[in-house]
Amino acid sequence: EDQVTQSPEALRLQEGESSSLNCSYTVSGLRGLFWYRQDPGKGPEFLFTLYSAGEEKEKERLKATLTKKESFLHITAPKPEDSATYLCAVQGSISSGSARQLTFGSGTQLTVLP
Amino acid sequence: NAGVTQTPKFQVLKTGQSMTLQCAQDMNHEYMSWYRQDPGMGLRLIHYSVGAGITDQGEVPNGYNVSRSTTEDFPLRLLSAAPSQTSVYFCASSYSWREGSQYFGPGTRLTVT
Repeated sequence: EDQVTQSPEALRLQEGESSSLNCSYTVSGLRGLFWYRQDPGKGPEFLFTLYSAGEEKEKERLKATLTKKESFLHITAPKPEDSATYLCAVQGSISSGSARQLTFGSGTQLTVLP
Repeated sequence: NAGVTQTPKFQVLKTGQSMTLQCAQDMNHEYMSWYRQDPGMGLRLIHYSVGAGITDQGEVPNGYNVSRSTTEDFPLRLLSAAPSQTSVYFCASSYSWREGSQYFGPGTRLTVT
């Protein structure tokens, strides 16, 4: 059974204070790891896909990295508009039987104070 | 493109009532899915479909039915609502099950009393 654990549950930062969110996962063969952003009262919005250890993706102030056991979402010099819940999800390999579904973590609620 | 649309946005049901949550997408996506989101538990997969006429169960399918008669629509039916089904429901779609980058709808907030 695929499992995803995100930490911390909540994070408060001052504007400009860089930090990282963690996503630890257990999956029998990783097909892909995904980061989503969710604003209050809205559906999640896709940010990144990572496929193999060592891979990195960047978008504005966000950079996602992947190892064999975890992924980090690094936020550099955050702004108040980066405040949201960040969700991590994994997709298992075809041989694991979980390739057709995503398993999500419970998310990290990020608040960036001005 | 409207993307993924869901109706209604809010719904209150009494225990034992049935209803259908509607989901539609106009992107010609093969893969569609339903999730529920509860505080502290993240998104949990209820049912999914890899194409018209094909559906399968996710992590928490009990109490829910789905069908996929067209590519565009993927309704979720609650057979006999229970308070434990109070949640926010999201529909999502992607071009193929091979892609994990899904487009999500705005959600339906359901309360069962």
